[in-house]
Amino acid sequence: DGGITQSPKYLFRKEGQNVTLSCEQNLNHDAMYWYRQDPGQGLRLIYYSQIVNDFQKGDIAEGYSVSREKKESFPLTVTSAQKNPTAFYLCASSIDRAGGETQYFGPGTRLLVL
Amino acid sequence: GENVEQHPSTLSVQEGDSAVIKCTYSDSASNYFPWYKQELGKRPQLIIDIRSNVGEKKDQRIAVTLNKTAKHFSLHITETQPEDSAVYFCAASDPNFGNEKLTFGTGTRLTIIP
Repeated sequence: DGGITQSPKYLFRKEGQNVTLSCEQNLNHDAMYWYRQDPGQGLRLIYYSQIVNDFQKGDIAEGYSVSREKKESFPLTVTSAQKNPTAFYLCASSIDRAGGETQYFGPGTRLLVL
Repeated sequence: GENVEQHPSTLSVQEGDSAVIKCTYSDSASNYFPWYKQELGKRPQLIIDIRSNVGEKKDQRIAVTLNKTAKHFSLHITETQPEDSAVYFCAASDPNFGNEKLTFGTGTRLTIIP
């Protein structure tokens, strides 16, 4: 999991502002994921991508957008439409093989609203 | 989609005793079941996983058992140590997404009492 990096570690968002969280991996993994973690809750899937230039909505995609222009990168934008964005955001990646594979997580970005 | 329930939400055990955390899943076609450990403010890290063609897997003090008939799987930690204190998450692969997507339980906060 040391091959996945996220930046910044902390991010502050003003009301009405869009912010972008970075996720990069050098593990040559095909699949990448974004999760949101709130206190007392598990990890909820926002978006995932199994291949470059393709991505799918997860369970809580509203107010978020992603892109996958490069295999190594999967940035997440938290838009102004996301009314409660304060959370810990985790990016993960895995080898995309049928049958389920281990997901490795980045160190996370904590987003706070000013 | 897949639904995962995890119990208990909190667990305290004396150092040296065993700890057991249980999860149930809803889709009998799920085939991959990982367990993650997350320390405060850190990323989740895989500690053990099991696939549907295996009933039990062990790695030193940690073991996982899978009962496909009952659709539940459990994490067993023996000879607990203070460094085992953390939040533990179970997950199950979602067959509706080719088993690439994981659905996570809500977590168990394990506290080891010295």
